[in-house]
Amino acid sequence: SQTIHQWPATLVQPVGSPLSLECTVEGTSNPNLYWYRQAAGRGLQLLFYSVGIGQISSEVPQNLSASRPQDRQFILSSKKLLLSDSGFYLCAWRTSGRDRYEQYFGPGTRLTVT
Amino acid sequence: AQKITQTQPGMFVQEKEAVTLDCTYDTSDPSYGLFWYKQPSSGEMIFLIYQGSYDQQNATEGRYSLNFQKARKSANLVISASQLGDSAMYFCAMRETAGGSYIPTFGRGTSLIVHP
Repeated sequence: SQTIHQWPATLVQPVGSPLSLECTVEGTSNPNLYWYRQAAGRGLQLLFYSVGIGQISSEVPQNLSASRPQDRQFILSSKKLLLSDSGFYLCAWRTSGRDRYEQYFGPGTRLTVT
Repeated sequence: AQKITQTQPGMFVQEKEAVTLDCTYDTSDPSYGLFWYKQPSSGEMIFLIYQGSYDQQNATEGRYSLNFQKARKSANLVISASQLGDSAMYFCAMRETAGGSYIPTFGRGTSLIVHP
């Protein structure tokens, strides 16, 4: 069965510090991968998605970046965090086939920028 | 314009009763799909049910059913026999195929509280 891991679960970082959030998927190959951010009481905002190694599409231009160094690894980074980067970050995957469209989400990382 | 609209910020239901969570959508894509996800207080998003735009029958998954009314562009989630564990945020989402990439759009969610 497939599982998705995210870490860390919670993070408190000062403004201007770097960020690295990691997501890994097990039990599947060539998944489509996604990073979302959810502000308190709001829906999900898609940040990045990837259909393959090294292929990253950005939905929201900002000080965040993403990388996919391996097939089942997706990393969200920032060189300098802003207060507005606080939120709940969710990684998700879906099969790359066209017969299944649902996404499966990781447990999330709650980021507080102080 | 919002592509997914969930007009109910909060809903309350008595345990064992049925509840309907509303979702309307806007798309010009002839091929699309609609999802419902549940987000308990732990934060993880859980996939519940999917309806494709060409599916003839309404989707069902256990106690969850999707009331799909294509002409009205609505895709309401019906939860039968509510349980205390159903208390959570519920998000409606849509996928479109325009442009060949799969980018889902999420609504703002509805908070459901189930009373004993």
